[in-house]
Amino acid sequence: EDKVVQSPLSLVVHEGDTVTLNCSYEVTNFRSLLWYKQEKKAPTFLFMLTSSGIEKKSGRLSSILDKKELSSILNITATQTGDSAIYLCAVTYSGTYKYIFGTGTRLKVLA
Amino acid sequence: GAGVSQSPRYKVTKRGQDVALRCDPISGHVSLYWYRQALGQGPEFLTYFNYEAQQDKSGLPNDRFSAERPEGSISTLTIQRTEQRDSAMYRCASSPRGGLGTEAFFGQGTRLTVV
Repeated sequence: EDKVVQSPLSLVVHEGDTVTLNCSYEVTNFRSLLWYKQEKKAPTFLFMLTSSGIEKKSGRLSSILDKKELSSILNITATQTGDSAIYLCAVTYSGTYKYIFGTGTRLKVLA
Repeated sequence: GAGVSQSPRYKVTKRGQDVALRCDPISGHVSLYWYRQALGQGPEFLTYFNYEAQQDKSGLPNDRFSAERPEGSISTLTIQRTEQRDSAMYRCASSPRGGLGTEAFFGQGTRLTVV
């Protein structure tokens, strides 16, 4: 069965800390892994990682795909209160157009 | 439009009533998805459209749930004879090519409460 597992389920840190969120997956014919940030409104897209693009960076956020370990990490450095959100990981695979989501990691950054 | 638009934003309905949730995707996006998200969970796939064709409805929980996208643009998710367990956030997403190396863009969702 297709599965995407995120850890930890929740995390509380202080401003300035660095956090690492994990996503592991079990799918056949993996195609891509996506990270989203979900605040009170719609989930917003952060990164997409594929075999041809296993590392992405944008400002304080970066993500790496480990195809051997079937996992990805999302790093946030120098966290700010505005980073507080649920971070969702999703995977796509050949033979389907759907995105399979994990349960998310709830991050709270304290001032 | 500029983004994926869903309406209504909130819907409270009595058990046994039918509800229709609307999604207006980003203009030109071929693929449209419906997801359901319970509190504390990630989005759960319901159904997928490629243009007007419903290519995957494997996630629809039972035959009370149906969806259509007759002209390949706006989509409606209909839940008949609603039950309390149907209460959730219903999210629509669209993408240019549907999982083929592109991301999905989500709407703000419709929060459905069945009382």
